[in-house]
Amino acid sequence: ETGVTQTPRHLVMGMTNKKSLKCEQHLGHNAMYWYKQSAKKPLELMFVYSLEERVENNSVPSRFSPECPNSSHLFLHLHTLQPEDSALYLCASSQKRGLAAAYEQYFGPGTRLTVT
Amino acid sequence: TQLLEQSPQFLSIQEGENLTVYCNSSSVFSSLQWYRQEPGEGPVLLVTVVTGGEVKKLKRLTFQFGDARKDSSLHITAAQPGDTGLYLCAGDQGAQKLVFGQGTRLTINP
Repeated sequence: ETGVTQTPRHLVMGMTNKKSLKCEQHLGHNAMYWYKQSAKKPLELMFVYSLEERVENNSVPSRFSPECPNSSHLFLHLHTLQPEDSALYLCASSQKRGLAAAYEQYFGPGTRLTVT
Repeated sequence: TQLLEQSPQFLSIQEGENLTVYCNSSSVFSSLQWYRQEPGEGPVLLVTVVTGGEVKKLKRLTFQFGDARKDSSLHITAAQPGDTGLYLCAGDQGAQKLVFGQGTRLTINP
C-alpha cells in the first residue's frame, strides 16, 4: 500500500450504532488530520494529531472521538450520530517541520458516511 | 466567515478553451496550495506557492500567488476533459492547519 488509505470506503449506520473509521499513512509523516466534507461547504478541519498528540479539536461534537495509537494510524470512533453528520470524511497526513504549519497535505480517498 | 473565497463556484466550458479561477482572502498566508479532487476520491495536491508574486507552471496549468500573499489564481490553457474536477485552494496560516476555500467545480465538455 502507498500513500494514505482509508477504510471502509462507504458506511451506512443508524443513529444508535457505534462504528469506527480507520486511516493509515505509509508516507512516514508525523501529523495526521480528520476533515469533514459536506455538499456546498468547504472542507472542515475536525482534528489534528502531531507526533501522536491531539493538538486541535475544532469544536467537534463529542459523538466523534479520535484516536491516534501511533504516527501511522488514525481512527475516528462514531456513536449516536445524527443525519446531518452524513458526509465524506477525509484523512490526511503531512510532515510537520519544527514550528511550521501543516504545509503539504496528502489525503486518503475518504469514507462516504450515511447516517439513517 | 469564509476566509478563502473561490470564484467562480461552477464553470463549464468546451475543450480547448482557456480559463482562470480565483482564490481571494483578506488574510495573509505563509503559503497557499491548490488541490484537485475527483468524484469519490480525496484531494490531490497540485502545487504549493510560497513567495509573493511567485508563478509556477505545471504543464498547461499556471499558478500565481499574489504579491501580498492574500490571493492566488489558477489558469488553465487549452482545457481538456481530464481537467474536470473540483479545484480547491488552501491557505496555510500556521498552527498546523490549512484553511480551505469552498472550491470551483470545473467541467470540460468534449
